[in-house]
Amino acid sequence: DTAVSQTPKYLVTQMGNDKSIKCEQNLGHDTMYWYKQDSKKFLKIMFSYNNKELIINETVPNRFSPKSPDKAHLNLHINSLELGDSAVYFCASSQGSLAGSNNEQFFGPGTRLTVL
Amino acid sequence: GNSVTQMEGPVTLSEEAFLTINCTYTATGYPSLFWYVQYPGEGLQLLLKATKADDKGSNKGFEATYRKETTSFHLEKGSVQVSDSAVYFCALSDRQGAQKLVFGQGTRLTINP
Repeated sequence: DTAVSQTPKYLVTQMGNDKSIKCEQNLGHDTMYWYKQDSKKFLKIMFSYNNKELIINETVPNRFSPKSPDKAHLNLHINSLELGDSAVYFCASSQGSLAGSNNEQFFGPGTRLTVL
Repeated sequence: GNSVTQMEGPVTLSEEAFLTINCTYTATGYPSLFWYVQYPGEGLQLLLKATKADDKGSNKGFEATYRKETTSFHLEKGSVQVSDSAVYFCALSDRQGAQKLVFGQGTRLTINP
């Protein structure tokens, strides 16, 4: 009964490759997010989608392309992987997109990406 | 821009000790404040939150009070357990516009029996 799930859990790949991380939520939420956690545990938002529309796009290289086929899924595709992309990527979801006390974000277990 | 600063870790305590993890923030307006916890190998879980000044969030024995005058949201627990060992993140969210959590750098807590 996982609320927010991500696949794969671990991903090891070579520099220059293209890879995707998948996220699914079964909470019926409208909004989904991608966060990046670097080696020092610092967490930063990358993207947010509401009902399949991009609403937050932080200063992320355009090698990163999120795709939301429906509001329950938000996938992250990364082209031409670089060493600095090594991190843990967390997906999250919330009921609404607007800031407010009821919009708690629920996080997935994370995908640890290692670029060699 | 908005930012969150937490006390640097790691923090190591003995079981039943008193815990304080400091958190201060910089924000325009009046953000909502959160503490998230990340247990080893898991994703983040919301521990507690406060949405306006002087609100106290509490859960599982942890407490934090939203202090506007000192722009702080310190996490406290009176008696920690080994099972509290985790990384703790303070975060804020603007009260307007698209929701976006801004996190502190995280504080690793280890409780020894």
